[in-house]
Amino acid sequence: GAVVSQHPSRVICKSGTSVKIECRSLDFQATTMFWYRQFPKQSLMLMATSNEGSKATYEQGVEKDKFLINHASLTLSTLTVTSAHPEDSSFYICSASPGHQQTQYFGPGTRLLVL
Amino acid sequence: ELKVEQNPLFLSMQEGKNYTIYCNYSTTSDRLYWYRQDPGKSLESLFVLLSNGAVKQEGRLMASLDTKARLSTLHITAAVHDLSATYFCAVDGETSGSRLTFGEGTQLTVNP
Repeated sequence: GAVVSQHPSRVICKSGTSVKIECRSLDFQATTMFWYRQFPKQSLMLMATSNEGSKATYEQGVEKDKFLINHASLTLSTLTVTSAHPEDSSFYICSASPGHQQTQYFGPGTRLLVL
Repeated sequence: ELKVEQNPLFLSMQEGKNYTIYCNYSTTSDRLYWYRQDPGKSLESLFVLLSNGAVKQEGRLMASLDTKARLSTLHITAAVHDLSATYFCAVDGETSGSRLTFGEGTQLTVNP
C-alpha cells in the first residue's frame, strides 16, 4: 500500500514553455502533498505544501507565480513550471501524506530538462 | 529554523567493515526518518523513529534516536556493495506541520 505515482518521469522542454507534473496517491487519500526539488549532488529542498481544496504554502524563495500548484482532489496534485528556463532543470519529487503529522510517501520523481 | 546536519557527507568503506552515520538536528522533533536514494531514483524509506531510545534494525542497517541529544545514528554492519547509495535523514519538527527538513545526505560507497 501507500503508493505515489508521478507523471511524466522525464520531460524535456524548450525555454519559455510550461510543463505540468502530476502527483497521484494511488491507494490512499492524501490530505497533504509536498513538492520538493533536488539539484545534482544536493539534498531535497521543500518547495511548497499543498492541502486539498486550499492554496499551497510556498517556502521562502520559491516563486508562487512560477511554480503553480493545484491540489484539486484528495488523490491528485499538480505542479506547473511556467515559462521554464534552463536553471529550472532539476529532479522534482512529490510526496503525499494521509493526514497531519503522518508519514510522507514519496513519488518516483520527475526529471525536468529545459533547453 | 530547524537545521539538520549529517556527517560524514562522503564515506568510502570496504566490504565487511562497520561504520556509523550521524544526524544532528537543532530543535525538538516529533519524528525522524532515514531514507536511501540510489542514483537517478527517488527516496526509499528505511526507518521512522518516533521516540527517545527508539532502535530499529533491518538487515545490516540499524537506526537509533536520542531526542535529548538531538541525535540519530545509522549504523552499518558488515557492509556489502549493495549498500552503496546516498542516505538522508529528515526531521519533522514539532511546529513544522509535517514539513520535513532533510540533512545534506551521506554518499556511501562500499568497495569490494
